[in-house]
Amino acid sequence: SQELEQSPQSLIVQEGKNLTINCTSSKTLYGLYWYKQKYGEGLIFLMMLQKGGEEKSHEKITAKLDEKKQQSSLHITASQPSHAGIYLCGADPSGYALNFGKGTSLLVTP
Amino acid sequence: NAGVTQTPKFRILKIGQSMTLQCTQDMNHNYMYWYRQDPGMGLKLIYYSVGAGITDKGEVPNGYNVSRSTTEDFPLRLELAAPSQTSVYFCASRGEGDNQPQHFGDGTRLSIL
Repeated sequence: SQELEQSPQSLIVQEGKNLTINCTSSKTLYGLYWYKQKYGEGLIFLMMLQKGGEEKSHEKITAKLDEKKQQSSLHITASQPSHAGIYLCGADPSGYALNFGKGTSLLVTP
Repeated sequence: NAGVTQTPKFRILKIGQSMTLQCTQDMNHNYMYWYRQDPGMGLKLIYYSVGAGITDKGEVPNGYNVSRSTTEDFPLRLELAAPSQTSVYFCASRGEGDNQPQHFGDGTRLSIL
């Protein structure tokens, strides 16, 4: 089965600072999804990466998939309190359902 | 813009009671899913469905049952609730085609006491 490991488990950053969250797979990724979960709420889809070397951005969030397609990173530039939450990566090895990492909890302090 | 709707949002059950978590989507998606989320453990797949009348087990199906009589609805049934089933339950759906993202409901927070 495909295991996804996220690092760090938790992160506290000062508002305005940049940060990076990593997601490493035990097998080749054929589609990597990033979701954000606000505390106590559902998951919101951020981005999906498919090709080796692919990079996508939305507002101040950039996600990349490495050339070997086994690691993805999520980078937030100039963090804001609205970025706080849990970030989860997910992969679909079966074509039916996602496996998720355990998540990275982000807190942004004033 | 209803998307995926889950009811109830919160529930407390006694050990041994039964209940049904409701999930409905208005996007005409064939694929639907039930996950549970425990603190620090990510999401685990309980059951999924690829269309009306078709369901299959995920990673942690024991103690749960599902049915899919319509495209819109995918209820999750807990029989003989146990403390280990205390969790947050999420329903999701996605459309046809490769690499379509899953859309999630807001979750049902369930405590078994």
